[in-house]
Amino acid sequence: NAGVTQTPKFQVLKTGQSMTLQCAQDMNHEYMSWYRQDPGMGLRLIHYSVGAGITDQGEVPNGYNVSRSTTEDFPLRLLSAAPSQTSVYFCASSLAAYQETQYFGPGTRLLVL
Amino acid sequence: GNSVTQMEGPVTLSEEAFLTINCTYTATGYPSLFWYVQYPGEGLQLLLKATKADDKGSNKGFEATYRKETTSFHLEKGSVQVSDSAVYFCALARMKAGNMLTFGGGTRLMVKP
Repeated sequence: NAGVTQTPKFQVLKTGQSMTLQCAQDMNHEYMSWYRQDPGMGLRLIHYSVGAGITDQGEVPNGYNVSRSTTEDFPLRLLSAAPSQTSVYFCASSLAAYQETQYFGPGTRLLVL
Repeated sequence: GNSVTQMEGPVTLSEEAFLTINCTYTATGYPSLFWYVQYPGEGLQLLLKATKADDKGSNKGFEATYRKETTSFHLEKGSVQVSDSAVYFCALARMKAGNMLTFGGGTRLMVKP
């Protein structure tokens, strides 16, 4: 049981490039989400999904796209990278109801030049 | 809207000192409250949680009590260890957005031998 996995661990992009951050979980969790972590600001929700085929926007969705074609995978796409998207990105998953614990991946550190 | 405010760090303590990290929240309804911990270079891990007023969450010597009257969820530990050095995040879960979390800004704790 690997839990929540994320790839890559670290990525450098040039402004305007696109890329996909991968996230997968093997716990059969319905809820998955993406957060970005910036110094002094905690984690902010980008997008989330309550099940396969269902996604919704979080607090800071602009510049990001998601899809959920399977229960296991929840990729995050940067359409045209900007320096403001330099951050650490965490994927998380949870079983169901809002009292449940969320499990976080190890993170992807992204640098946009 | 929902928000979480926690004391800014860094907090520097000597080993075996008493720890308090303050956390207050603003939320509609009855959120669940969490403390997550992030060790250097790692993702977030759930430390403890409380799902209703007057509940006390506890784990690894840490405790926090859900105080609805003061909208607080302060984290305490009676005797900290060097291994407790990490960043601590207070968070609440919103029913409206499934199981998605609103985080405070994080408090860095440094424990010196």
